[in-house]
Order: sequence, then structure tokens, then C-alpha cells
Amino acid sequence: NAGVTQTPKFQVLKTGQSMTLQCAQDMNHEYMSWYRQDPGMGLRLIHYSVGAGITDQGEVPNGYNVSRSTTEDFPLRLLSAAPSQTSVYFCASGKTGQETQYFGPGTRLLVL
Amino acid sequence: GENVEQHPSTLSVQEGDSAVIKCTYSDSASNYFPWYKQELGKGPQLIIDIRSNVGEKKDQRIAVTLNKTAKHFSLHITETQPEDSAVYFCAASRGGSYIPTFGRGTSLIVHP
Repeated sequence: NAGVTQTPKFQVLKTGQSMTLQCAQDMNHEYMSWYRQDPGMGLRLIHYSVGAGITDQGEVPNGYNVSRSTTEDFPLRLLSAAPSQTSVYFCASGKTGQETQYFGPGTRLLVL
Repeated sequence: GENVEQHPSTLSVQEGDSAVIKCTYSDSASNYFPWYKQELGKGPQLIIDIRSNVGEKKDQRIAVTLNKTAKHFSLHITETQPEDSAVYFCAASRGGSYIPTFGRGTSLIVHP
């Protein structure tokens, strides 16, 4: 199993540009989530999904959009990038009945 | 919602010393308390967890303790080694919730 994969590893955007951060898992996990990690702020939940077709907002959802059309994929869309969205983004997945979160390697995003 | 406080934010020790990281939580219904280790450039990975029906759990050089009355839990690392250097996150969640609330993280530095 590849586990949780994220692409790209690093991205530079200009203010106002849009992009999609990709996340995929091959463990047949029902739960998937997106976090952002900023210095001194820990891991903050952006959006999460409890299964295909079901998504919900986390602590910091503004400026981000998600969809879950398949069990495997959970893309995160930045609609109009802002410098405040400069961060490291982690995708995680988990299985019903097991509370362990499995994290991807992260995407480092710089918005100029 | 749940609020998890974690201290200290940075911890510097000499190789061979012990390290203790402390967390408090606010939701008395939380009953699952995992600890994650994040090595440089990687995603967090579960290292140990504890449930509310247990007061202490050990795994080789690491141990977690839980005080439900005081709503705090701690991570103890004995005989620290340079490879223990990382960021450690505590988290808390209710049973049936697969989306935990994370603390802000502790950067542990072990000096050879």
C-alpha cells in the first residue's frame, strides 16, 4: 500500500490564482481530512469527509473548497489564493472503528 | 467544542535525559488521547495512545498517563536519543468521532 499520497510536494502561487491540492489513499478508509500547519498553531482542521459524497467544515474552512466523489480521493481547492494561505497542508485518512489518523507527507504552499 | 492545550512549545534535553510533555483538554466526554510524532519534512505519525478507562500505558521508552479528574494527560520519554528529536502533538476526541482536536505541538530537541 502507498498509504496517503499528496501532490504536489511544493507549490508557489501568485495572489488570486486558484489551484487544487491532491490527496489519495489506497487503504479503503472512510474518513479523510485536510489540515494546515502553521508555526505555533499546530494542526488546524480545514474540511473533512466521513464518506464519498459527504463533506463538512472544520475550524478554518474559509477560502477552501472540497469534494469527495470517490472513497480514494479528497482534493482541496483554493479558490483565490491569498498570502494568508501560505502554509503546509496535510491530508489524513482513517477507518471506521479505528481512531488512528494516517497522514500524507504534506504539500508546502507559498502564496506571493 | 474541544480545546487542547499543550506545553511546553519547545523542550531541549541532553541525550539520556527524560522528557515530559503535558496536555490538558476541556471536553469531559473525550475518551481517546493519541500522541503523534512529526519528523522533519514528514507527516505526523501515531506513536502511542490511551483511552479513558486506562490510567497509564507504556511502550518501551515512551509512556502516557491520563488523569481524567484533572483532564490532563502526559507523554514521557525516557533515555532520550537524538532520533527522538521531532515535533510531538497530543490530541483528544470523543468515542465515535474520528476527527481529533490537536494541541499546538512541542518541538523536542535532544542534544548528543
